[in-house]
Amino acid sequence: QEVLVESGGGLVKPGGSLRLSCEASGFVFSDSYMSWIRQAPGQGLEWVSYITASGQTKYYADSVKGRFTISRDNTKKSVFLEMNSLRAEDTAIYYCAVSGDNDAFDVWGQGTMVTVSS
Amino acid sequence: EIVLTQSPATLSVSPGDTATLSCRASQSIRNNLAWYQQIPGRAPRLLIYAASTRATGVPARFSGSGSGTEFTLSVSSLQSEDFAVYYCQQYSNWPLTFGQGTRLEIQ
Repeated sequence: QEVLVESGGGLVKPGGSLRLSCEASGFVFSDSYMSWIRQAPGQGLEWVSYITASGQTKYYADSVKGRFTISRDNTKKSVFLEMNSLRAEDTAIYYCAVSGDNDAFDVWGQGTMVTVSS
Repeated sequence: EIVLTQSPATLSVSPGDTATLSCRASQSIRNNLAWYQQIPGRAPRLLIYAASTRATGVPARFSGSGSGTEFTLSVSSLQSEDFAVYYCQQYSNWPLTFGQGTRLEIQ
């Protein structure tokens, strides 16, 4: 059974930093393409970032480009999201998800809440 | 950026009836479209990919259609667990984008 478990969320002041982690199990992580997707309170879904299986190619939403960095450690079956210069509008539940062969988001984690507030 | 517009924003339907949800893309995305279901408080769940292929374990009452810019998700014989928010998502172009969602509620 494919499982993703996010961690690292919390309360941070504007301008601060946070590092999210997502640990995978139940599938071949080193062959998998991973994304972070967020959902602000009461709002819809927003794709944030994507990384290929090797980690060589990364994409970002314009709203986070230059502030967020995605990375992965295939030996630890984990993907990370380093978030810097955080703003109030970054407040959201952050989900990690895996793209299957169909390119859609096959499996989602349960999410981790990030709150940016003074 | 490809904009996905879902309609209606809210759809009220009776259990047992059929719901039809729409998703329109601002430019052609061929069949590179997925549908997700989200129950409040839970993570989204993949229902449909490639516009019309059901994901593993998804009941046959869920069906997707369309290509290019116009897509439809139909849910027949609505059951209580189907009342949720539904999102479409395109994976044709970067950045990946979602529609704003359609809330399916019990009439």
